[in-house]
Amino acid sequence: ETGVTQTPRHLVMGMTNKKSLKCEQHLGHNAMYWYKQSAKKPLELMFVYSLEERVENNSVPSRFSPECPNSSHLFLHLHTLQPEDSALYLCASSPSRQGVNGYTFGSGTRLTVV
Amino acid sequence: DQQVKQNSPSLSVQEGRISILNCDYTNSMFDYFLWYKKYPAEGPTFLISISSIKDKNEDGRFTVFLNKSAKHLSLHIVPSQPGDSAVYFCAARSGSARQLTFGSGTQLTVLP
Repeated sequence: ETGVTQTPRHLVMGMTNKKSLKCEQHLGHNAMYWYKQSAKKPLELMFVYSLEERVENNSVPSRFSPECPNSSHLFLHLHTLQPEDSALYLCASSPSRQGVNGYTFGSGTRLTVV
Repeated sequence: DQQVKQNSPSLSVQEGRISILNCDYTNSMFDYFLWYKKYPAEGPTFLISISSIKDKNEDGRFTVFLNKSAKHLSLHIVPSQPGDSAVYFCAARSGSARQLTFGSGTQLTVLP
């Protein structure tokens, strides 16, 4: 148990579906992140939430929509995804955006879009 | 443009020998560097880090070296063990960006 819990672990969805990924951290951290990991590519930062401020990667398509209702929970809402969106989606948290303590990652959600 | 590059997608090493994983970066504003280790079906876990004011940091079998003039860092694992087989990600932080930039990872396989 890493302290960052992601559900579901695996998700298969059609291109017309709407689904949500959930992330929960019990570490008292103030910043949470969504990363996308595609095969042979760097971990790609999608969104950052810090003290309820949202920072986006401008290259993330609008079919991905984050929600952070409080400092412990982070969601990634998915709709009308494309097959190229199939990847491992990782949630992470850190004590603050400026700290040097690194991130604590969840185990990820393996998403397959069919 | 990738600011953090791990040019070797894979590396195989015999058990007991040294593993050397390399990472290059382009952004001179990076001030902190980290290595993460990832097993299949798990998220990355923090391994070791180094501040840009240092050139070496050691923790048990793991040592990270930083060469700022070459914008290069490396992770040495000695002796390598089969349980070290995993994907290793290099990451860097810029104080102004306040978030980590990751490389594409190197798959290390330690052969028994």
